[in-house]
Amino acid sequence: SQTIHQWPATLVQPVGSPLSLECTVEGTSNPNLYWYRQAAGRGLQLLFYSVGIGQISSEVPQNLSASRPQDRQFILSSKKLLLSDSGFYLCAWSAGTGVSDTQYFGPGTRLTVL
Amino acid sequence: AQSVTQLGSHVSVSEGALVLLRCNYSSSVPPYLFWYVQYPNQGLQLLLKYTTGATLVKGINGFEAEFKKSETSFHLTKPSAHMSDAAEYFCAVSAPFSGGYNKLIFGAGTRLAVHP
Repeated sequence: SQTIHQWPATLVQPVGSPLSLECTVEGTSNPNLYWYRQAAGRGLQLLFYSVGIGQISSEVPQNLSASRPQDRQFILSSKKLLLSDSGFYLCAWSAGTGVSDTQYFGPGTRLTVL
Repeated sequence: AQSVTQLGSHVSVSEGALVLLRCNYSSSVPPYLFWYVQYPNQGLQLLLKYTTGATLVKGINGFEAEFKKSETSFHLTKPSAHMSDAAEYFCAVSAPFSGGYNKLIFGAGTRLAVHP
């Protein structure tokens, strides 16, 4: 069966520091991968989307970036964190790109920027 | 453009009572609809999804949802609430994304509280 992992589970970082969040998927090949952010009291906002190694699409402009160095690894980064980057970051995967394809979510990373 | 509206950011029910969480969607194409549940500090878990065919969709944990095209609704119900149902629930619609792919558009969520 497929599983999705996120690391770390929680993170507290000062403003201006760098960020690296990791997401890995097991039990499937060539998954589509997604990064979402969930701010307090709000829904989920799609940040990045990837259909393959090195292929990244950005949904909204921001000081975050994403990379996919391996087939089942998706990394979210920032060179300098802002207070507004605080939130709950969720990684998800899907098997296909069709309208009915289900996205499966990881456990999330809680980021607090102070 | 696709969008989702969840009526009621907070819903409170008694244990054993009917659960009704409302979701209305807007879609320019036949919609594909999803309900997810999120327990505190956890990721989202798929409850059920509607693609095509039967309009009454059964999901996990006794939940079901009915797709009503005329009302553009996809409300989530459960006949009898359990304490373990306390969580946040998200309705989502699949929407076209750049490059010919699709993404999920989420509602703002409804937090369900269940009291004894």
